[in-house]
Amino acid sequence: DGGITQSPKYLFRKEGQNVTLSCEQNLNHDAMYWYRQDPGQGLRLIYYSQIVNDFQKGDIAEGYSVSREKKESFPLTVTSAQKNPTAFYLCASSPSLGVGTEAFFGQGTRLTVV
Amino acid sequence: DAKTTQPNSMESNEEEPVHLPCNHSTISGTDYIHWYRQLPSQGPEYVIHGLTSNVNNRMASLAIAEDRKSSTLILHRATLRDAAVYYCILRGLGGGADGLTFGKGTHLIIQP
Repeated sequence: DGGITQSPKYLFRKEGQNVTLSCEQNLNHDAMYWYRQDPGQGLRLIYYSQIVNDFQKGDIAEGYSVSREKKESFPLTVTSAQKNPTAFYLCASSPSLGVGTEAFFGQGTRLTVV
Repeated sequence: DAKTTQPNSMESNEEEPVHLPCNHSTISGTDYIHWYRQLPSQGPEYVIHGLTSNVNNRMASLAIAEDRKSSTLILHRATLRDAAVYYCILRGLGGGADGLTFGKGTHLIIQP
């Protein structure tokens, strides 16, 4: 089935360690996004990418890094510089950055840093 | 992306229609109105979107005011599975066409 897959669903890391969250899509979508969600809050944009080898910072990019080496993959690294990394992370894709297109979301990765 | 205003929460009874309002007074002529919903511990799912005319699909209807400064998502017959947070967002062609920007949305509670 076509869709967007995030792995793992739950992730635990020790403070000070970098961790990479996976996001893969087989929808042939050009645009991909990463969001962070804290309890009771909306989604905040971390990074987005319109095309392979290109990405832009969102509203809360500090302490995060991404790469877009393949169209179907957009991994997010949470670095030790991120002061409060424990959160629910969501990846999304859409056919383009066109405003009339719908976005598809993965099921999320819940990261806990101890 | 322009901002939207939604009630924090709404409550409705099962099998009754639900009207979820959204105000977007600063909407521009090229902004699309999108609705997504998010069930607990899941990613958001697309519900519907429109530009000027009312829209219908299998999930819901979207009623857009004539001046486009407000819109209403209509669930024709709510079920318990419709309990979720509903987000109304605007996506525009202006320099910030950088992705979907979400507020806190409306928490819809369905009573059996």
